[in-house]
Amino acid sequence: SYELTQPLSVSVALGQTAGINCGGNNVGSKSVHWYQQKSGQAPVVVIYRDSNRPSGIPERFSGSKSGNTATLTISRAQAGDEADYYCQVWDSSTGHVVFGGGTKLTVL
Amino acid sequence: QLQLQESGPGLVKPSETLSLTCTVSGGSISSSSYYWGWIRQPPGQGLEWIGSIYYTGVTYYNPSLKSRVTMSVDTSKNQFSLKLTSVTAADTAVYYCARLYCTNPNCFQFDYWGQGTLLTVSS
Repeated sequence: SYELTQPLSVSVALGQTAGINCGGNNVGSKSVHWYQQKSGQAPVVVIYRDSNRPSGIPERFSGSKSGNTATLTISRAQAGDEADYYCQVWDSSTGHVVFGGGTKLTVL
Repeated sequence: QLQLQESGPGLVKPSETLSLTCTVSGGSISSSSYYWGWIRQPPGQGLEWIGSIYYTGVTYYNPSLKSRVTMSVDTSKNQFSLKLTSVTAADTAVYYCARLYCTNPNCFQFDYWGQGTLLTVSS
């Protein structure tokens, strides 16, 4: 079955830029979506279809892909960005949804 | 504004069947642009997709749970449901229902989520 790999944790200094990677076989051919989950809350999509931001999501959040890796970039990191972040794809060959294992972002 | 609300027993005994319902309001479950899904999250762990269902009843299940999962939809009540049989402590988790955006033939992201409901498996 298809798998997505994320680092367990990423740290970033306040005001600096953080990048969270999501790796998977041939992920370049799939649409990648990113969710932010704050403690005790349901996930919220922050990037959809690789690089699109829903309304209400700050421009500081951006998404990109290169080869077998998708990246969520958070610029000018704020304390309020501390959360768990998950990548997700839909596998067209099976109709299955796949989540990455999640990355805990810490803002120092 | 679309809203999803999970409902269920909160506590289930080992070996019994877990039953959850998601009620959709502010929109129709019969829309051709969406599947409807269940996702769970054990305490302190990541998100796990359980399955997705279309309003016609077409389903896709996580292979790791497929033998124990049944999803159904009731368009008259704008609800969809999850049954998970032979539960163990490992099934203790927050269970979320969510809407999966699709444009034929592809699906994409879960754009609306319920608040989640904690289900504990214990005797």
